[in-house]
Amino acid sequence: QKEVEQNSGPLSVPEGAIASLNCTYSDRGSQSFFWYRQYSGKSPELIMFIYSNGDKEDGRFTAQLNKASQYVSLLIRDSQPSDSATYLCAVNVNGANSKLTFGKGITLSVRP
Amino acid sequence: KAGVTQTPRYLIKTRGQQVTLSCSPISGHRSVSWYQQTPGQGLQFLFEYFSETQRNKGNFPGRFSGRQFSNSRSEMNVSTLELGDSALYLCASSPPVGTGNSPLHFGNGTRLTVT
Repeated sequence: QKEVEQNSGPLSVPEGAIASLNCTYSDRGSQSFFWYRQYSGKSPELIMFIYSNGDKEDGRFTAQLNKASQYVSLLIRDSQPSDSATYLCAVNVNGANSKLTFGKGITLSVRP
Repeated sequence: KAGVTQTPRYLIKTRGQQVTLSCSPISGHRSVSWYQQTPGQGLQFLFEYFSETQRNKGNFPGRFSGRQFSNSRSEMNVSTLELGDSALYLCASSPPVGTGNSPLHFGNGTRLTVT
């Protein structure tokens, strides 16, 4: 059973702080990794994707991938109240990005 | 460019009935995937269609089926509805492989309530 685990939440951080969201996956054959953000009552929207070990930065967001440890994380710098949402980690194993295994998500709350 | 469009947004059905949901992908996207989202199980992959053929399938019973038309629009059907089928059903499309990284783009979903 291919699994994606996200550390239990909810996570609460003050405005301006760094929020760190973590995800582990069980299948070493996993090839690509995605972070989606989902606001309450809305559909998931893609924030970042990463394929190679190391860091990938996009604005206030940094995705980190460590395939040896089967670990992917998302850092949100200078957190804003508008970042309050559920963050979903997703992993693809079979080489096509259409079939993703999602974690249960972690709810982030940014306190003004 | 218009996003993924799903209709209807909300549906209420009774047990035993069947339902059909519709999805129009982003223009140029030929792959359409369907996911079910529930509070208990999270987001789970149902199936994927590409060029009118089912290319991948998740672990759902045969009551869940789908199809894709030549214009890439897709429908999914759930027969003999059960209370546990109440969920948000999300459709996603992705661009052809090789046109850059091709992550999924989700529609707004159809909220199905089975009573």
